[in-house]
Amino acid sequence: AQSVTQLDSQVPVFEEAPVELRCNYSSSVSVYLFWYVQYPNQGLQLLLKYLSGSTLVKGINGFEAEFNKSQTSFHLRKPSVHISDTAEYFCAVSGARNTDKLIFGTGTRLQVFP
Amino acid sequence: DGGITQSPKYLFRKEGQNVTLSCEQNLNHDAMYWYRQDPGQGLRLIYYSQIVNDFQKGDIAEGYSVSREKKESFPLTVTSAQKNPTAFYLCASSTGTGVQTQYFGPGTRLLVL
Repeated sequence: AQSVTQLDSQVPVFEEAPVELRCNYSSSVSVYLFWYVQYPNQGLQLLLKYLSGSTLVKGINGFEAEFNKSQTSFHLRKPSVHISDTAEYFCAVSGARNTDKLIFGTGTRLQVFP
Repeated sequence: DGGITQSPKYLFRKEGQNVTLSCEQNLNHDAMYWYRQDPGQGLRLIYYSQIVNDFQKGDIAEGYSVSREKKESFPLTVTSAQKNPTAFYLCASSTGTGVQTQYFGPGTRLLVL
C-alpha cells in the first residue's frame, strides 16, 4: 500500500520569494505522483504529475517538482511566488495497477504575503 | 465546455434526513469518484465507480450510498446513518482508474442544522 506525508501544514512566504512544499511517500512498488492545487471553496486542479522519464517535472503556473527515488520525495517548488498562489496544495500518490487508488496527503496551506 | 458540475453548492441537512448530492460530467469519462474533505485530513475516498452499473466502497463508505445508472452521473446520498456529515464533498472523474488524472468538480459543502 502507498502513503504520502506532507510535512508542513502551513507555509507563509512573502511575494516574489521562492517556496518549496515538501512531500514524502512510501511504497514497495513503482508509484505515480501528483500535485494538485485547491483555491478557497473550489475543487482541485492538477498542477503536475510524474509518471516516468525525467525526474524534473514542470507544471502550470510556474511550478515544478523533482522526483527523488532514493529520498522517496516529490517536493514542489516555485522560484518566485505571487499573491495569487495562495491556496491549499495536495500531494498524491498512486500505484501502477489500474485497481490502485489515488492517496492524498493532508495538504499544505501556502499563504503569500505582500 | 467540458467539465464536472456539482449541485447544490451548499446543502443543509436536518437530523434523520437523507440528502443527495449531484455530480454530472460531460467528459465521457468511465470512472467517477466521491471524496470527503475535512480540515487537516486531506481527501478521503467514499465510493468510486469504474463503469456504469458498478461501484466499489472506498475507505469511508459507511453512512453513504451511490448509484451509477448513467455514464455521466454519479449521485451520492448521505444517509441518516452518517453521524458526522458536515464536510466538503468533492466529485471527480477520470478516463480510467490507476494512473489516469482525476478531474474535480467545484464541490458541495454539507452542513447540519
